[in-house]
Amino acid sequence: DIQMTQSPSTLSASVGDRVTITCRASQSISSWLAWYQQKPGKAPKLLIYKASSLESGVPSRFSGSGSGTEFTITISSLQPDDFATYYCQQYKSYSGTFGQGTKVEIK
Amino acid sequence: EVQLLESGGGLVQPGGSLRLSCAASGFTFSSYVMSWVRQAPGKGLEWVSAISGSGGSTYYADSVKGRFTISRDNSKNTLYLQLNSLRAEDTAVYYCAKGLAVADPFPFDSWGQGTLVSVSS
Repeated sequence: DIQMTQSPSTLSASVGDRVTITCRASQSISSWLAWYQQKPGKAPKLLIYKASSLESGVPSRFSGSGSGTEFTITISSLQPDDFATYYCQQYKSYSGTFGQGTKVEIK
Repeated sequence: EVQLLESGGGLVQPGGSLRLSCAASGFTFSSYVMSWVRQAPGKGLEWVSAISGSGGSTYYADSVKGRFTISRDNSKNTLYLQLNSLRAEDTAVYYCAKGLAVADPFPFDSWGQGTLVSVSS
């Protein structure tokens, strides 16, 4: 099974900060990676797919990069609505494994 | 607008059974792979099962294989998950989710609001 590891687990940041979250795969997944945002009590929301493609309607301050085993999502200027938990998901294999999540907190 | 509405969750004893439903609207249901994803309280996301648009192919996580059964009724635009031999570790919010592109299981571009399954004596 492909394992996904996110870092950090928690990130404290201020509005306007540039924020980067990393996701590492235990083996190469090419660009088969998605990022989701989840707020408490809500379903996850797709932000990025195929490592760097922005889902329709997602603000351009979100961007994704990487291939193979190392990936990042960057928020160029953190907004109040962005405080949430972020998950990566690999979809090279049918297990569709998620990372353990990164909580972005207000500093 | 895509809408997914789960139902059927509740409290069940260990070893018991439950059937979850997900009513879909706003897209051509039969064209899309549909999945169930769960989230234990305070924990991360776990893909559980997927089914092809025709219903002819099904896929399961190892953690539920042999206990859960996914199915769909395209005439009713409804997805199901039959949960048998339930364990405490199956306690979670269960989401139904739609694949982004026709015939692709991942990633998920639409999710339901979730239904809570609690397994406890």
